[in-house]
Amino acid sequence: DVQLVESGGSLVQPGWSLRLSCVASESTFRTYWMHWVRQVPGKGLEWVSRISVDGRSLFYVDSVRGRFTISRDNAKNTLYLEMRSLMHEDTADYHCVGTSVPYGMDVWGRGTTVTVSS
Amino acid sequence: QSALTQPPSVSGSPGQSVTISCTGTSSDVGSYNRVSWYRQAPGAAPKLIIYEVTSRPSGVPDRLFGSKSGNTASLTISGLQAEDEADYYCCSYTISNTYVFGTGTKVTVL
Repeated sequence: DVQLVESGGSLVQPGWSLRLSCVASESTFRTYWMHWVRQVPGKGLEWVSRISVDGRSLFYVDSVRGRFTISRDNAKNTLYLEMRSLMHEDTADYHCVGTSVPYGMDVWGRGTTVTVSS
Repeated sequence: QSALTQPPSVSGSPGQSVTISCTGTSSDVGSYNRVSWYRQAPGAAPKLIIYEVTSRPSGVPDRLFGSKSGNTASLTISGLQAEDEADYYCCSYTISNTYVFGTGTKVTVL
């Protein structure tokens, strides 16, 4: 089974930028729509963004549109999330998620923690 | 993009059945048969247990059953077991080509 490992989470100040990465263990990554889902510890899940197999179709939740950019490099089996103008409300664990079944997110990474605090 | 509404908690005794509701709108749950459910144990990443309202991934037992009527989807767990104790989230595709999760439900096995 493909495994996803996120990195790049850090403690940053409001207004700063950060880039998250997610590396997949297998090239089947190239056949998956990919998502970022975040979760404040102890709270619920929030879908953030998704990207098509070819990287051309991008979608975002309203609260991050214009600030976050999702991208992928299929040659490197890697998914990215470029985050700008970070706000306190962006503090969460960010999970990289793959979709190998229709409209279901079935491959999850363990997450990387982003903390936005002054 | 408001979160789908789930009850904060449900409980049942071993062997009983529990049902978790997930209420959305005509812009998400009511528009498509694209509702999925996830189980999250403490400290673990979520796990897909139902997709496209009723389909189960390989390895998920058939005592987990999904359904939908109008703007409300439901997950029924029959033959409740101690291992079912976890947080459960629904998720729906929306008419904006985005996704929205539910508020989450804690299942307690008495």
